Amino acid sequence: GESVGLHLPTLSVQEGDNSIINCAYSNSASDYFIWYKQESGKGPQFIIDIRSNMDKRQGQRVTVLLNKTVKHLSLQIAATQPGDSAVYFCAEKTYSGGSNYKLTFGKGTLLTVNP
Amino acid sequence: SQTIHQWPATLVQPVGSPLSLECTVEGTSNPNLYWYRQAAGRGLQLLFYSVGIGQISSEVPQNLSASRPQDRQFILSSKKLLLSDSGFYLCAWSVPREGKLFFGSGTQLSVL
Repeated sequence: GESVGLHLPTLSVQEGDNSIINCAYSNSASDYFIWYKQESGKGPQFIIDIRSNMDKRQGQRVTVLLNKTVKHLSLQIAATQPGDSAVYFCAEKTYSGGSNYKLTFGKGTLLTVNP
Repeated sequence: SQTIHQWPATLVQPVGSPLSLECTVEGTSNPNLYWYRQAAGRGLQLLFYSVGIGQISSEVPQNLSASRPQDRQFILSSKKLLLSDSGFYLCAWSVPREGKLFFGSGTQLSVL
């Protein structure tokens, strides 16, 4: 079946470095993708999203890149800070018939920022 | 602005006991509502979603059920909890036809 997965389950970086978290998706019909950040014991928080008609979108210290050719999504965090330590999930919008859809989440990557 | 409330934050229940988790959304009308479960250190599994009052879609067969008695109220229930029902339960809402989900703060359920 269609799925969204992550290349790396854990990522450890030094404070101030840039972080790159990767995600692969298999449903070529997906037209919308989201990155979420989840801190321990809390619900996921929206970080940034991108539609399939775009290749890149920037936010505050974050950039999402979409490569539809290889079905790959990445989240770049600039100047990573200790507060960025969390699990990061990618999600794709998949359709289940008509206008019904759902978000399918990847397994998540644990980002640890070392001071 | 829209807010989502989920309670309780933590719950410890014995095996075989009933369950009722409640979620309410404020500041929006006719939202899509969702229940997800997250096992420790794992991803999010969609359990139920609802596009309107009384309309429930189940994603996986399980020991749980969901109900939507009011437009902005979503309830997750079980008649008899199993050990395998332990996990972090998350309620979420979205604007219909939009993909972005907004999550509640979650309920950590431990079945002992």
